[in-house]
Amino acid sequence: GAVVSQHPSWVICKSGTSVKIECRSLDFQATTMFWYRQFPKQSLMLMATSNEGSKATYEQGVEKDKFLINHASLTLSTLTVTSAHPEDSSFYICSAGGQIYSNQPQHFGDGTRLSIL
Amino acid sequence: AQKITQTQPGMFVQEKEAVTLDCTYDTSDQSYGLFWYKQPSSGEMIFLIYQGSYDEQNATEGRYSLNFQKARKSANLVISASQLGDSAMYFCAMREIGETSYDKVIFGPGTSLSVIP
Repeated sequence: GAVVSQHPSWVICKSGTSVKIECRSLDFQATTMFWYRQFPKQSLMLMATSNEGSKATYEQGVEKDKFLINHASLTLSTLTVTSAHPEDSSFYICSAGGQIYSNQPQHFGDGTRLSIL
Repeated sequence: AQKITQTQPGMFVQEKEAVTLDCTYDTSDQSYGLFWYKQPSSGEMIFLIYQGSYDEQNATEGRYSLNFQKARKSANLVISASQLGDSAMYFCAMREIGETSYDKVIFGPGTSLSVIP
């Protein structure tokens, strides 16, 4: 079964709306979660690293005020796309798990397809 | 800066034949991990195989094997006895220590594999 749950699976909303996406680790604690963005036929682009109890680490070029990340517990990280516009339409996917010195892979959520009208 | 290169945007393979998907990477770290993921059209990320930088043996998982050449910084995926269900995007990914000491995972541009009956 899924070890990382992402919700919602898809969102369609009007321009200017803020959209919250949740990422939950189901049977393990995740001090670190990752948020990716993927445009059609392109790769996953790392947006930010979500750190439990501290500020997220954003990749270069990602607007912190646009993409708000909160990692309030060891099993939940949220990404809020604030005042979304059509150019924010994309596939957003989170991941968690794994350690640098182990062979455990990152577990991915099933992703959220965001469409801004 | 880390970088992953997959030089084959698209590949075709006859059913039941083997295929090699190329991946080269660039890192200055001594400890890192390499992954291959499969992404079908539905969008979910499916973990295939892992290779640690200190692993001396090439990783194998069923029909998947990883041809790891550390000096060349390459980690090619070999799929044996291709099946129609193997048609998907394939991403090479690398995990290494991030700037805040949390490990992060980055992805290559991907290879679209099509299996021909």
